[in-house]
Amino acid sequence: GNSVTQMEGPVTLSEEAFLTINCTYTATGYPSLFWYVQYPGEGLQLLLKATKADDKGSNKGFEATYRKETTSFHLEKGSVQVSDSAVYFCALGQGAQKLVFGQGTRLTINP
Amino acid sequence: EAGVAQSPRYKIIEKRQSVAFWCNPISGHATLYWYQQILGQGPKLLIQFQNNGVVDDSQLPKDRFSAERLKGVDSTLKIQPAKLEDSAVYLCASSFGDRGREKLFFGSGTQLSVL
Repeated sequence: GNSVTQMEGPVTLSEEAFLTINCTYTATGYPSLFWYVQYPGEGLQLLLKATKADDKGSNKGFEATYRKETTSFHLEKGSVQVSDSAVYFCALGQGAQKLVFGQGTRLTINP
Repeated sequence: EAGVAQSPRYKIIEKRQSVAFWCNPISGHATLYWYQQILGQGPKLLIQFQNNGVVDDSQLPKDRFSAERLKGVDSTLKIQPAKLEDSAVYLCASSFGDRGREKLFFGSGTQLSVL
């Protein structure tokens, strides 16, 4: 079945550092890929998505490129801020099948 | 636009007791989901409704969990009797359609502690 694997956390960075959170997936065909973010005390919200190979999703300075050849969808940001501290979830959706989430990566940004 | 509403926000019960959670999705969203999020793990789908019909309940422990969405709008999830391993955050989400590329809108969740 479909599955998503994220890099283990937690991740702690200083403000203005470069961020990468790795995500790889297993699926047949061409799923849609998502990054959801969960800020403290809030529900999950969609950060960005890509629906086909080589698409780049972007939002709030974050980017992720759908790489079919490496089955990856790594999340990147060039300069993180304290307000980016949250838990980030990579997810996969396909057809009418349920959205499958990775285990989440907790990110803490220190000033 | 009002978001997905869930209640209660927190619930503490003893094992073998029963508990119910309520969810009101975004107006016009046909698809409603209940997810279970155990600490340190990603959300796991328990049940998916399309209007008032069940689309997927393959991971719902049906001996103790039940859910309904009678009028195709709000929904309740019930656990009876609760076990210690049911301690988790229960998330409700909704989407306009049911395709895999749909954006899901999540509520803030109900944090359940079973003692």
